[in-house]
Amino acid sequence: KAGVTQTPRYLIKTRGQQVTLSCSPISGHRSVSWYQQTPGQGLQFLFEYFSETQRNKGNFPGRFSGRQFSNSRSEMNVSTLELGDSALYLCASSLVLAGEAQYFGPGTRLTVL
Amino acid sequence: AQKVTQAQTEISVVEKEDVTLDCVYETRDTTYYLFWYKQPPSGELVFLIRRNSFDEQNEISGRYSWNFQKSTSSFNFTITASQVVDSAVYFCALHSGNTPLVFGKGTRLSVIA
Repeated sequence: KAGVTQTPRYLIKTRGQQVTLSCSPISGHRSVSWYQQTPGQGLQFLFEYFSETQRNKGNFPGRFSGRQFSNSRSEMNVSTLELGDSALYLCASSLVLAGEAQYFGPGTRLTVL
Repeated sequence: AQKVTQAQTEISVVEKEDVTLDCVYETRDTTYYLFWYKQPPSGELVFLIRRNSFDEQNEISGRYSWNFQKSTSSFNFTITASQVVDSAVYFCALHSGNTPLVFGKGTRLSVIA
């Protein structure tokens, strides 16, 4: 079974631009979560989606948004990029049941100049 | 609130030594799930183990073993006869209720040949 895929793997943007990251979950997984990882803050939760509905949202400004499509694929968008948004963005998918293991993709490394 | 503490920020061992990574968690829920993930230099988080709060039986998988003790709210991870390939950052995580997965800050393990 194919794992979680994320595109693109690397991105370089400048301040003020916006970016869209994509995530394709493992086949059959209906829940997708997004995390931001930085050296200073560690792994921070961004969003969790299930059946196209946002179930949970982390403590991030409104510039961060996401959505999930009917095929469970998910996208996240960051508008008006700031230097501090430079990070590794990780997507994870899991089965429907709560407490199931989340399986992570390779991440998208975003650099904001 | 849910919280995971990994007090060891960095550990360095010589190959073939045994090493234990500590994890202490906090939750008021009686049903919860604990996880360990490995993040090698490539960046992708690799799922290692999932434990639910009703199963305190220790688990062994090859050179890896996990000790779950509810009395001390700990879920420690031991690598026996460590190898250079074990060098990575290891994360302990907690999931309970409707809250998202909560990660510890991680422990960076360096195994020196």
